[in-house]
Amino acid sequence: DAMVIQNPRYQVTQFGKPVTLSCSQTLNHNVMYWYQQKSSQAPKLLFHYYDKDFNNEADTPDNFQSRRPNTSFCFLDIRSPGLGDTAMYLCATSPPGQGTDTQYFGPGTRLTVL
Amino acid sequence: EDQVTQSPEALRLQEGESSSLNCSYTVSGLRGLFWYRQDPGKGPEFLFTLYSAGEEKEKERLKATLTKKESFLHITAPKPEDSATYLCAGACTAGNNRKLIWGLGTSLAVNP
Repeated sequence: DAMVIQNPRYQVTQFGKPVTLSCSQTLNHNVMYWYQQKSSQAPKLLFHYYDKDFNNEADTPDNFQSRRPNTSFCFLDIRSPGLGDTAMYLCATSPPGQGTDTQYFGPGTRLTVL
Repeated sequence: EDQVTQSPEALRLQEGESSSLNCSYTVSGLRGLFWYRQDPGKGPEFLFTLYSAGEEKEKERLKATLTKKESFLHITAPKPEDSATYLCAGACTAGNNRKLIWGLGTSLAVNP
């Protein structure tokens, strides 16, 4: 089945130790998003790619970076994680075109920073 | 300011007890109103997109409706497996970017 896959599902890292989360998709969608979701909160958009065009949200910390080497893969790099970065990280994809803003989410990666 | 507000925050129903969840929005240039279901520890699962006032969509026990100011998610004769958080989001366009404005969700618990 076409889908959005995130790895790992669970990640524990130490304060300040860089971590990379990955997302892959078989939907062939050209838009990919990264969200951060903390407990009992709505998803918060960090950035998104429209093809290779990178769009950063104004309030996304510089500590968060992203790479999209091809259509299928996208990575979230947290250069120096802090305790406040403990959260669920969600990847989503969306097809192009007017009126097709539906975003399809992966299962998420739960990151714990100790 | 674009905003989406969901009510109630939490709802507990008995199996078979129908009810409605509310999503009110003030999103300029709304390009769609989305409903998602989220189970604990998982990513949101897409349910519906509504584009214009008066539109309705159904899926099993769920029916979503849209007016010019709010959307309702009606749950008919719910079952325990319908227990989840239901998220509502409005899509707006800022330049070439599409962005979802999310509500905080309604946590639904259905008791057997």
